[in-house]
Amino acid sequence: QSALTQPASVTGSLGQSITISCTGTNIDIETSKIVSWYHLHPGKAPRLVIYDVSERPSGVSGRFSGSMSGNVASITISGLQIEDEGDYFCSSSGDADSGIWVFGEGTKVTVL
Amino acid sequence: QVQLQEAGPGLVKPSETLSLTCSVSNSSFIGHFWSWIRQSPGKGLEWIGSIYLNKPPLYKPSLKSRLSMSLDMSRSEISLQVASVTAADTAVYYCARSDSLPGSFDNWGLGTLVTVSS
Repeated sequence: QSALTQPASVTGSLGQSITISCTGTNIDIETSKIVSWYHLHPGKAPRLVIYDVSERPSGVSGRFSGSMSGNVASITISGLQIEDEGDYFCSSSGDADSGIWVFGEGTKVTVL
Repeated sequence: QVQLQEAGPGLVKPSETLSLTCSVSNSSFIGHFWSWIRQSPGKGLEWIGSIYLNKPPLYKPSLKSRLSMSLDMSRSEISLQVASVTAADTAVYYCARSDSLPGSFDNWGLGTLVTVSS
């Protein structure tokens, strides 16, 4: 079955940069280039921060950037701010078992 | 701006049917896919199903037998029903909009928590 694997948690200090990886298993994200990243913050609606691997929606800070190397997608948050805390999920297209979309298990970001 | 607002019963008994609605504001239904996504406590996001206008909905295969989605443009609502619920269906349920299939979800609601318990 297809899966996207993310680290459970990443911690960084104010102003520093962090990178979260998203590894495809039985999903060829390298070829499809269908990778999105979402930020979930308690009490707020989930927010799209990166789509199509590295595209940034209008209104999203330039501190967010996406990339891919092989079958591993990544999101980098530079100049960490307190408001960047929360959970980050990657997603891509799934397969016959998982359905159209599959999400990673999420990475909890803590800003010190 | 586009607004999505989920509404649900909060608490549902096991074996009953869960009914949710998503009210959409400031968006056309044409050109967009509308999806339900849930997050069980302590777990990741799970895509449940998507619908486009009057086309047959697309469901996650493992849930398909228990799901029913519909779209009512006159009421600007998307509905989801989950039959024969169990504790495993306890989750925050989100509705979300996307422009393609698959693609990215560019607008989400705040979500509504549904607990399955007797």
